[in-house]
Amino acid sequence: DAGVTQSPTHLIKTRGQHVTLRCSPISGHKSVSWYQQVLGQGPQFIFQYYEKEERGRGNFPDRFSARQFPNYSSELNVNALLLGDSALYLCASDSGTGGTLSNEKLFFGSGTQLSVL
Amino acid sequence: SQELEQSPQSLIVQEGKNLTINCTSSKTLYGLYWYKQKYGEGLIFLMMLQKGGEEKSHEKITAKLDEKKQQSSLHITASQPSHAGIYLCGAVPISSGSARQLTFGSGTQLTVLP
Repeated sequence: DAGVTQSPTHLIKTRGQHVTLRCSPISGHKSVSWYQQVLGQGPQFIFQYYEKEERGRGNFPDRFSARQFPNYSSELNVNALLLGDSALYLCASDSGTGGTLSNEKLFFGSGTQLSVL
Repeated sequence: SQELEQSPQSLIVQEGKNLTINCTSSKTLYGLYWYKQKYGEGLIFLMMLQKGGEEKSHEKITAKLDEKKQQSSLHITASQPSHAGIYLCGAVPISSGSARQLTFGSGTQLTVLP
């Protein structure tokens, strides 16, 4: 079975541009989360979606938005890119039912490396 | 907000040696995940701990969560070059109990010398 897949693997953009990152969860997983990992730091939570609804949002500006589709895949959009948006963007999925934790394992994709010049 | 402190930041050990990585929380944990990451790649799930005093093992890696649920350790026995990478602990905030909104430590960079 395929794991969490993300595309593209690498992306180079310039300041002010817009970017869309894509994520396909593990088959059967309905929850998708997005994280940003700046070099040398741990990942930071951006968004979580379950059944196409936003269930959580981290401390990120409104330039960041996301959505989840009926097939549970997800997109992360970032507008008006800044140099500081350069990071590894990670997507994670789990088999939970959307409620609180009950031993779900959170599986991560390999990420999209975004460079903003 | 919940903060996680990992120590040490980096670790260099000779192959065959044992090592321990620590993760300390400023607040009581609802649950804690341990992940391994190769540079610039995704996170590989290692273990998840939820109960105070819980201990889990997989191959040569053992993770423990203390009774107060504020500190966790990851112990590797007889380290091998394949253990090299960045080890990250991720906390489930007790306020939400949501495993999808993890707060991560800064990571421990492990190098194993052959």
